[in-house]
Amino acid sequence: DTEVTQTPKHLVMGMTNKKSLKCEQHMGHRAMYWYKQKAKKPPELMFVYSYEKLSINESVPSRFSPECPNSSLLNLHLHALQPEDSALYLCASSQAQGAGQPQHFGDGTRLSIL
Amino acid sequence: AQKVTQAQTEISVVEKEDVTLDCVYETRDTTYYLFWYKQPPSGELVFLIRRNSFDEQNEISGRYSWNFQKSTSSFNFTITASQVVDSAVYFCALSEFYGNNRLAFGKGNQVVVIP
Repeated sequence: DTEVTQTPKHLVMGMTNKKSLKCEQHMGHRAMYWYKQKAKKPPELMFVYSYEKLSINESVPSRFSPECPNSSLLNLHLHALQPEDSALYLCASSQAQGAGQPQHFGDGTRLSIL
Repeated sequence: AQKVTQAQTEISVVEKEDVTLDCVYETRDTTYYLFWYKQPPSGELVFLIRRNSFDEQNEISGRYSWNFQKSTSSFNFTITASQVVDSAVYFCALSEFYGNNRLAFGKGNQVVVIP
């Protein structure tokens, strides 16, 4: 079983809906990541939090809004998404954001935008 | 800029055959880290191994082995005596020392093990 837990596992939403993806880890890691993965492609980095502060935003559209309420939790708030945002959203964590720290991934949320 | 190339997109093998996945990387940094991840159909990426640029020792873990050669900028992965549970997409990734732990992924190798 993965030590990074993501909910929900599947989400279908309309373009006008607001929803949130949740990620939780209890490994004491201080860096957390959101990735987007389209079918048959590698994951693409969206955001990184380090010690609960936003460290990297890879020019992600504002309809995606990350939040890190505490060191164990990471949310991704979704609003007014487009059909092309349908993808697998993966959360990961690492001990810190330092070089070479292995990232440990959750199972992902499969998001479909109608 | 960092780059990872996994040339073979899909590889099919019969159970118990060996399969080798090639990974070639490019970086200007002298300090970097290489990773392999497995992504089964369930979706999560499973961390398999990390190597730093100063450690060229090959590694074996059960049926998995890795061959790191700086001279050819390659970090190849071999599965010995493949099993159906090995069917997955395997990603090679590179992280540079000053890259804020960003991972540059290759396109992935889809491995299909036929019973």
